[in-house]
Amino acid sequence: QLELQESGPGLVKPSETLSLTCSVSGGSISSTGYSWGWIRQPPGKGLEWIGSIYDSGSTYYNPSLKSRVTIFVDKSKNQFSLKLSSVTASDTAIYYCARGSYHYDSSGYYAENWGRGTRVIVSS
Amino acid sequence: QLLLTQSPSASASLGTSVKLTCTLSSGHSSHAIAWHQQQPEKGPRYLMKVNSDGSHTKGDGIPDRLSGSSSGAERYLTISSLQSEDEADYYCQTWASGMEVFGGGTKLTVL
Repeated sequence: QLELQESGPGLVKPSETLSLTCSVSGGSISSTGYSWGWIRQPPGKGLEWIGSIYDSGSTYYNPSLKSRVTIFVDKSKNQFSLKLSSVTASDTAIYYCARGSYHYDSSGYYAENWGRGTRVIVSS
Repeated sequence: QLLLTQSPSASASLGTSVKLTCTLSSGHSSHAIAWHQQQPEKGPRYLMKVNSDGSHTKGDGIPDRLSGSSSGAERYLTISSLQSEDEADYYCQTWASGMEVFGGGTKLTVL
């Protein structure tokens, strides 16, 4: 049973860098056919995709966040991480990590496993 | 631009059925989408993926009373025999060339 667990500071100051980690258990982050992504949800709003890293090592980011986002994998620790720089109050949200599975019949990745989320508040 | 459109809200009575819709933007009617459920104060949960031909692949433990279908650029999630625990937000999601998109979500109220 795959489990994903987000961790990181719950409070970040404006202009600083938000750093979160997703620990993966019950599966290997090195397995092929998967993507590892971050999604966030501002208070009272819907889901927003932040970015993903694929088994090929390629990364893709939401164009609206691309200049501030980095996602990377640490295979030795079986985890992947998010860094979001120059944060403002609008980055306050619940941040989820997710694993996407490749579906050959539709040639795409779809998030089949989600973490429980971690709340991040940006405030001085 | 790849976009997904959902009605903000829907409602149906306990024990009846409801059909939620996710519409793909023009030029993307062949895309598959995934449905996710988010119950109050919980994280999202994958329900199923729906292809353009209406075939669908459910997640583990998803009951038979949930099903998916398609028509043109529309993708549907039908929930039969509505239960109180079905009251939740439902999001559709699609994927194209490394990029992911979520619909705005539909809040389902069970009356």
